[in-house]
Amino acid sequence: ETGVTQSPTHLIKTRGQQVTLRCSSQSGHNTVSWYQQALGQGPQFIFQYYREEENGRGNFPPRFSGLQFPNYSSELNVNALELDDSALYLCASSFGTVQETQYFGPGTRLLVL
Amino acid sequence: KQEVTQIPAALSVPEGENLVLNCSFTDSAIYNLQWFRQDPGKGLTSLLLIQSSQREQTSGRLNASLDKSSGRSTLYIAASQPGDSATYLCAVNNAGNMLTFGGGTRLMVKP
Repeated sequence: ETGVTQSPTHLIKTRGQQVTLRCSSQSGHNTVSWYQQALGQGPQFIFQYYREEENGRGNFPPRFSGLQFPNYSSELNVNALELDDSALYLCASSFGTVQETQYFGPGTRLLVL
Repeated sequence: KQEVTQIPAALSVPEGENLVLNCSFTDSAIYNLQWFRQDPGKGLTSLLLIQSSQREQTSGRLNASLDKSSGRSTLYIAASQPGDSATYLCAVNNAGNMLTFGGGTRLMVKP
């Protein structure tokens, strides 16, 4: 158990809908990163939030957006869902943004029909 | 752009064997490299983190080495057990804790 929690655990949506995924970071951690993991592949970096500001972004379109709250929990929002958005979404928390170990949550499995 | 490759993609061994998983990366300007374990449908469990200034890290039956100049890391698992069956992922940190992952090695240890 890493202390990082995610909700919901599973979600089914239809193409074109919007979805919000949530992550609570480990106590004392001020950085949250989000990753998308398609079936059979390694995770891909979506973006990172540090002290409520976006601190870096991977190669994902603007319809992927996020927030970080004062308690350092975070949301990932995806608009206009596409079939290829079906994946396991992982969040990871750490203290700082340089060389710290990242601790991952259990993930949210999203299925887009 | 950093690219991370893991070989082999899948591995099946009898219980008790020692085994080596390989990870290579194209950009050697890394802060650290981390090995993770992932059970089916689950999140990632951190196994070992090697800072760029280190050559290896050990935890129990696991030993990870890092050769930054050649862009390689290996994860050595001693005396494998059926409970070691999982996918093993390596990830490199080039900047700001934004990890680039390999595709993983799916390990099956048969009793």
